[in-house]
Amino acid sequence: ELKVEQNPLFLSMQEGKNYTIYCNYSTTSDRLYWYRQDPGKSLESLFVLLSNGAVKQEGRLMASLDTKARLSTLHITAAVHDLSATYFCAVGMNYGGATNKLIFGTGTLLAVQP
Amino acid sequence: KAGVTQTPRYLIKTRGQQVTLSCSPISGHRSVSWYQQTPGQGLQFLFEYFSETQRNKGNFPGRFSGRQFSNSRSEMNVSTLELGDSALYLCASSLQTKDIQYFGAGTRLSVL
Repeated sequence: ELKVEQNPLFLSMQEGKNYTIYCNYSTTSDRLYWYRQDPGKSLESLFVLLSNGAVKQEGRLMASLDTKARLSTLHITAAVHDLSATYFCAVGMNYGGATNKLIFGTGTLLAVQP
Repeated sequence: KAGVTQTPRYLIKTRGQQVTLSCSPISGHRSVSWYQQTPGQGLQFLFEYFSETQRNKGNFPGRFSGRQFSNSRSEMNVSTLELGDSALYLCASSLQTKDIQYFGAGTRLSVL
């Protein structure tokens, strides 16, 4: 079964610094998602990456996908406090026909300190 | 455009009872998926429905069941509740396979 590993699990950053969250997955997939979750809230969609080499950017966040390495990264540039949240990557299953089943990583709790 | 609506938002039940959770997808979305989120196990896939058919099911006991109606609204039912069923249950909808999945606010179930 597809396994998704995220690291680090916890990330404490200072405002203005850059950092990267990594998402590795174990079997072939053609789509990868990044979500944000604030405490006690639901999941907010950030990015959908559908092809090898895909790169998407929104504000201070940039996500990329390398399907050959089975790796996606979420890069944070010049972090601000408002980015504090838990970030999840999720990989779409690719078997047995069409499905929207996602396997989620463990999540990365990001705390941006002033 | 209204988002994914889940009701109720909070539920408190006792062991042995059963519960039904409801999810109304975004208008026009035919795919609805359910996930369970707990601190220990994280986000786990429960099942997925598309045009009233269960298309996929996660590794949960038969006490967990679901269905989808002709208007794409979905319900999930948990019978004979156990303490370990306490979790945030999230519903997601999408227009087609491989599209963005939009999540509802969730139903927080507490089993006492």
